[in-house]
Amino acid sequence: DQQVKQNSPSLSVQEGRISILNCDYTNSMFDYFLWYKKYPAEGPTFLISISSIKDKNEDGRFTVFLNKSAKHLSLHIVPSQPGDSAVYFCAATPNAGNMLTFGGGTRLMVKP
Amino acid sequence: DAGITQSPRYKITETGRQVTLMCHQTWSHSYMFWYRQDLGHGLRLIYYSAAADITDKGEVPDGYVVSRSKTENFPLTLESATRSQTSVYFCASGRREGRNEQFFGPGTRLTVL
Repeated sequence: DQQVKQNSPSLSVQEGRISILNCDYTNSMFDYFLWYKKYPAEGPTFLISISSIKDKNEDGRFTVFLNKSAKHLSLHIVPSQPGDSAVYFCAATPNAGNMLTFGGGTRLMVKP
Repeated sequence: DAGITQSPRYKITETGRQVTLMCHQTWSHSYMFWYRQDLGHGLRLIYYSAAADITDKGEVPDGYVVSRSKTENFPLTLESATRSQTSVYFCASGRREGRNEQFFGPGTRLTVL
């Protein structure tokens, strides 16, 4: 049973518009959430994170929103650029330990 | 160069053969991890290590063996490869302190015929 789910396997967005990637989780013990970005033939790279004590975290064009009551988080990319085309994974961890549970990933395609 | 490296980057083997995937990091991170990436499943944890000589199972450990005699190395061995172990394998490392950010290697694409 997947504890972290990304229900959209792919997303296509026009350059300059907003990209919204969604992630749902089921484990109430998760209290820290991360987004990773992965290009083909490369390993995932850390993008942005959020603690459960916050509901929003921004880093440049990237913003992550956390809705604890809905067990839902989303990554907003504004404005989207062709270089953002990649697979995005969300990950979650409980308040102890370093284990990450990953979602299945969403492939984002930003069209010029 | 500093970072995390994996070797080989590509490997083709046959069913029943033993295969070892290597992982080396230069950051002296305490934690190291092995994941496999399969379509529809994202990244699944195979094994992890909190320090040298300390290893533990992840979500999908069957058919794999790990060891960690030195902090910087974390090899993953498939004792008798099966077709279901065809996958892309990622090694990652992370600090003991701080919160959970992991740094990934470039991956090894393994094909078992």
